[in-house]
Amino acid sequence: EAQVTQNPRYLITVTGKKLTVTCSQNMNHEYMSWYRQDPGLGLRQIYYSMNVEVTDKGDVPEGYKVSRKEKRNFPLILESPSPNQTSLYFCASSFRPGLAGGITGANVLTFGAGSRLTVL
Amino acid sequence: QKEVEQNSGPLSVPEGAIASLNCTYSDRGSQSFFWYRQYSGKSPELIMFIYSNGDKEDGRFTAQLNKASQYVSLLIRDSQPSDSATYLCAAIGITGGGNKLTFGTGTQLKVEL
Repeated sequence: EAQVTQNPRYLITVTGKKLTVTCSQNMNHEYMSWYRQDPGLGLRQIYYSMNVEVTDKGDVPEGYKVSRKEKRNFPLILESPSPNQTSLYFCASSFRPGLAGGITGANVLTFGAGSRLTVL
Repeated sequence: QKEVEQNSGPLSVPEGAIASLNCTYSDRGSQSFFWYRQYSGKSPELIMFIYSNGDKEDGRFTAQLNKASQYVSLLIRDSQPSDSATYLCAAIGITGGGNKLTFGTGTQLKVEL
């Protein structure tokens, strides 16, 4: 089944304890992205990756790190989590990024199931 | 000014009615537009994408795009209680090199029996 898999789905942690949220896709997608979703603020992009070894900041990158060593994996790292990073996180992927996907729909994002993170 | 704007709702419609969801965008260079549905606590799932001016229909759903007015809408015919969800509008513009997908904050739809 074509999918984006995130783990863990739920996590409660304490301030300062490093954590990693994994994301893996089995669709050979070039583009991968992380979003956080907060009430009233909608989906905000944290980081994205155009392809292996190519990553860039989104709108809210502070406090996060990512890496793209393999095409299928795009982990999100919180080096020193703080309570303001309590949120619902989504990983997403698509064949092509942005406008390069054109009219074919190759830029349609497929989302993972989400990871609900609570930082105490 | 938000790049993609939606009325947060809730928009309440009776079962069987047409629900009309609206979205405006500020980046005049935007070319691809998406409607996602999101149930509470779940991930967004694509309903439709639209690229050209005019209407695009898929079953009970019709997306409408007017680039001159910078306006995108989603019509849901014969609304069902299962359509109750938050609907997210998204656009890809030329900001960010044409790779930035910006989401609106979503409109909550309630279909009442």
